[in-house]
Amino acid sequence: NAGVTQTPKFQVLKTGQSMTLQCAQDMNHNSMYWYRQDPGMGLRLIYYSASEGTTDKGEVPNGYNVSRLNKREFSLRLESAAPSQTSVYFCASSEAVYGVNIQYFGAGTRLSVL
Amino acid sequence: GENVEQHPSTLSVQEGDSAVIKCTYSDSASNYFPWYKQELGKRPQLIIDIRSNVGEKKDQRIAVTLNKTAKHFSLHITETQPEDSAVYFCAASNPEGSNFGNEKLTFGTGTRLTIIP
Repeated sequence: NAGVTQTPKFQVLKTGQSMTLQCAQDMNHNSMYWYRQDPGMGLRLIYYSASEGTTDKGEVPNGYNVSRLNKREFSLRLESAAPSQTSVYFCASSEAVYGVNIQYFGAGTRLSVL
Repeated sequence: GENVEQHPSTLSVQEGDSAVIKCTYSDSASNYFPWYKQELGKRPQLIIDIRSNVGEKKDQRIAVTLNKTAKHFSLHITETQPEDSAVYFCAASNPEGSNFGNEKLTFGTGTRLTIIP
């Protein structure tokens, strides 16, 4: 049981390049999330998917797109990377049962855009 | 939408002393309040949570208190140890909402706790 797996762990891009961050979970969770973490800013939600086939914008969606490929996988795409997207990206999944929403995080992807 | 404020942003305490981190939230419908710990270079991990029908919850050296009227909740760590050094995040959500999307957590900006040996 691996939990939430993110790839790659590190990535360096040039401005304007594109890339996709991959995330997969093996806990049969319905909900999945993408966050970015910047110093002093905490965890900010980029996009989320409450169930397979659905996605919605979070707090900071500009410059990103997502795909909920199936129940296990939720990918984040940067179409034209900008230096402002330099950050650590975390994927998470959860099962919102009555009154509780425990989110399990992946190990993160450290992205630098030059 | 929900807004969560967290204070202080940094906190240093002597080993063995207590540490308190405070958060306020804006949405009175929020009813679930978890705390996550993130060690340097690692992923955030849940350490304790509380629901709105409970005023206090303890787990060994950590406890969380909730004041629904004032819309604030706090994390208390007693007898601090070096391994408590980390960044702590509070969060709030309303996962019992009937609509799609209410599973979101809104996080505070984090508190860097340093335990001084």
